[in-house]
This record gives sequence, C-alpha cells and structure tokens, in this order.
Amino acid sequence: DAKTTQPPSMDCAEGRAANLPCNHSTISGNEYVYWYRQIHSQGPQYIIHGLKNNETNEMASLIITEDRKSSTLILPHATLRDTAVYYCIVRTGSSNTGKLIFGQGTTLQVKP
Amino acid sequence: GAVVSQHPSRVICKSGTSVKIECRSLDFQATTMFWYRQFPKQSLMLMATSNEGSKATYEQGVEKDKFLINHASLTLSTLTVTSAHPEDSSFYICSAPPGGGPSYNEQFFGPGTRLTVL
Repeated sequence: DAKTTQPPSMDCAEGRAANLPCNHSTISGNEYVYWYRQIHSQGPQYIIHGLKNNETNEMASLIITEDRKSSTLILPHATLRDTAVYYCIVRTGSSNTGKLIFGQGTTLQVKP
Repeated sequence: GAVVSQHPSRVICKSGTSVKIECRSLDFQATTMFWYRQFPKQSLMLMATSNEGSKATYEQGVEKDKFLINHASLTLSTLTVTSAHPEDSSFYICSAPPGGGPSYNEQFFGPGTRLTVL
C-alpha cells in the first residue's frame, strides 16, 4: 500500500473550514484513500473514503486531485469536538486482508 | 453505525501476570478482527489479524507466544498478554470490518483498553 505524508499539526478557528492535506504520490490505480480520526484516548472513527471522485457525507468532504497524488479532507464548519488526530490511509480496495496501516497523522486543534 | 466493544476499558496488573482483553462486535458478525497497540503520543501499530476458526496472523516483530489471540466466534476475539511486563503497558485497540469479512468498507474500532503493568 502506498505511503502517505501529512503535516504533523494544524490549527483551525471554530466555525471555519478545516482543510487537511495528504500526499500519496505513489498511489496506484486500485488504491483507495481513507480518512479516520482519533479523539484523545478513544478508538479511531471512520470519516470518509474515495477512489477518484470527490466524496461528501454528513461529516466531511474528500477532494482528490485528478492525478490522485494528493487529497484534502474538508471539515466545513469545525467545532471544538473536531479536535483530534486525523489519519490519511491509502489501501487497496480489493485487498483481502482489510488491514489499515496508520501513519503519524495530523493533529488538528480547533480553537475558540 | 456498527458497534465494537472492548472489555475491560482499563486494567492494572502486576508484572508477570497475564491479562485477557475481549473485543466484541455487537450488531454484526466479523470473521476478521484486527488488534492494534498504541503507545503515548504515537500512532496505532497493527499487531495481528484475528481470523475466526483459524490461527491469527501476526505482523513482523510481534511475538505470537506473548500476545495470544483467539477468535472463538463470529462476534468475539480475545487478546491475552502473557507474562506482562511494564514495557507492555499501552493502549490496545481492536477493529472489525462489517459484512462478515475484510473489505474496503469502513472499519469499526473499539474504544480501546488501557493496560498498565506495574
């Protein structure tokens, strides 16, 4: 599975959009981009995933560049409860192992 | 969404004792579950894949005789830390993909178990 690169930390003002970038320049055609987050001392929580097209759900939007070498997770109106470590993971969608390999992630601090 | 529970949420034990951690899928069957370990201020590290009815698959560097995994049913996997030592103190987290098997869909994580070995 391709490696991802994320900034170690970011700040965001409450109520503003939080844009979290992820580089995955070695991604291959059958690999999906997943985003999870982990609030302190809890298990990770699934946010969203995508292959090529941009995706949106009730939590966030995922924007994937046309060459698929990078993506951005957008939390449209960040709240204090969105303070967490956000992990971008690239994995083969058809993998029969289902393993998720976590990198270091981005610590997002939402400030009042 | 689907729910995964872990028990206990927190355990303190003496060095040399064994500790069992349970991971249950509450509203779905999981033929596969995953066990992770997380040290303070670090990311999650995958330890092993638990397979219902067969042996677990361990990641490189994880001692299978120290971390015993038993996936006895479609809703329960257990991780036993044998002869625990202070360096085994960590946050242990399990996860399971819904739908009965590994897939590219979202995985559901348990709330974690904090193990402290004195």
